[in-house]
Amino acid sequence: SQQGEEDPQALSIQEGENATMNCSYKTSINNLQWYRQNSGRGLVHLILIRSNEREKHSGRLRVTLDTSKKSSSLLITASRAADTASYFCAAYTGNQFYFGTGTSLTVIP
Amino acid sequence: GAVVSQHPSRVICKSGTSVKIECRSLDFQATTMFWYRQFPKQSLMLMATSNEGSKATYEQGVEKDKFLINHASLTLSTLTVTSAHPEDSSFYICSARPDVVTEAFFGQGTRLTVV
Repeated sequence: SQQGEEDPQALSIQEGENATMNCSYKTSINNLQWYRQNSGRGLVHLILIRSNEREKHSGRLRVTLDTSKKSSSLLITASRAADTASYFCAAYTGNQFYFGTGTSLTVIP
Repeated sequence: GAVVSQHPSRVICKSGTSVKIECRSLDFQATTMFWYRQFPKQSLMLMATSNEGSKATYEQGVEKDKFLINHASLTLSTLTVTSAHPEDSSFYICSARPDVVTEAFFGQGTRLTVV
């Protein structure tokens, strides 16, 4: 399977703490993207990091990419209850997306 | 960002009937569209890739005759679930890509329930 893996599968933290999710993939990529999905809803694009980039920031989000290890991490700082959702990484080959298994994040108020 | 509209957002149908789901790129021409299926609490699984004007490429294990994909124009792709059964109940999501070098944009998904 081309599908990537994410860990942890589930993460529960207190509001204000940081949340870190990791993603590993199997293919060579053009870019890697992180998405958020609230229960039963569609995907919301969070951030894109290109294969020649190592780190990227957007608001409270920080993404790193290590192409040699085929891995990426998403850090959400100062988490809020509204951040509760599932988070997916998607490795984009330039032809197709391959999604990770997802991390279910629960932020406790 | 670019907008991809998926319709309907929810549909309930009887077993044995067919259901059509539309995916439209509203402000760009989509050379390629992708169809995904998502089971509860699981990730998105790519079902097929369609390029405008040609036959879709299906992933292994996806029945071509059951999941008919048409990409007749640069702004519209349709997925038809034929002779639907309860096990086809799922969340279906499309994405559209303008050209080779840019990222794809996702529709909001369609919740299909077959009763």
